[in-house]
Amino acid sequence: AQSVTQPDIHITVSEGASLELRCNYSYGATPYLFWYVQSPGQGLQLLLKYFSGDTLVQGIKGFEAEFKRSQSSFNLRKPSVHWSDAAEYFCAVDAGGTSYGKLTFGQGTILTVHP
Amino acid sequence: SQTIHQWPATLVQPVGSPLSLECTVEGTSNPNLYWYRQAAGRGLQLLFYSVGIGQISSEVPQNLSASRPQDRQFILSSKKLLLSDSGFYLCAWSLGTRDTQYFGPGTRLTVL
Repeated sequence: AQSVTQPDIHITVSEGASLELRCNYSYGATPYLFWYVQSPGQGLQLLLKYFSGDTLVQGIKGFEAEFKRSQSSFNLRKPSVHWSDAAEYFCAVDAGGTSYGKLTFGQGTILTVHP
Repeated sequence: SQTIHQWPATLVQPVGSPLSLECTVEGTSNPNLYWYRQAAGRGLQLLFYSVGIGQISSEVPQNLSASRPQDRQFILSSKKLLLSDSGFYLCAWSLGTRDTQYFGPGTRLTVL
């Protein structure tokens, strides 16, 4: 069955430090890939997406992600974290095929930012 | 610009009571609509999606149902709530299949 794995349930970083959130998926074809962010009690906001083309994509709030087909990964990065980045981050995949148009989400990574 | 609304924002219901959650989208026509549930400490699970009025696809067999009576209105219902129905329910829309999905603010449902 298709799956999306975010190995880190909780990550803590200091403000100003760099950040990398991991996402791995288990599909054969090239999927559509997304990163969303959720503040407590709120809906999800799209950070960035990858459909095709350049494997390094830029998003809002200074985030970027790189699609690596060989590793089935789509890791999210930010060079310098701000306190306002504290939230929960979700990786999501539209695998196509029988899952065409349907998103499968990872379990989420909670980011805590220390001053 | 497009906006998506959900209500109520929070709801506390006893076991066995009925449920109706509403989602509406403004600023677009014939969107794809989705219902997700987010249980505590877990990711999002797709419950239903719709590509047009009256067309509903169910992803997870359960005691919930969905309806789309109007182009931009999506309703999640239950005749009798279970404790396991507690969670955060999110509605989303997209312009088309495989397009980016945009999420509403969510409804927090607690079943006691």
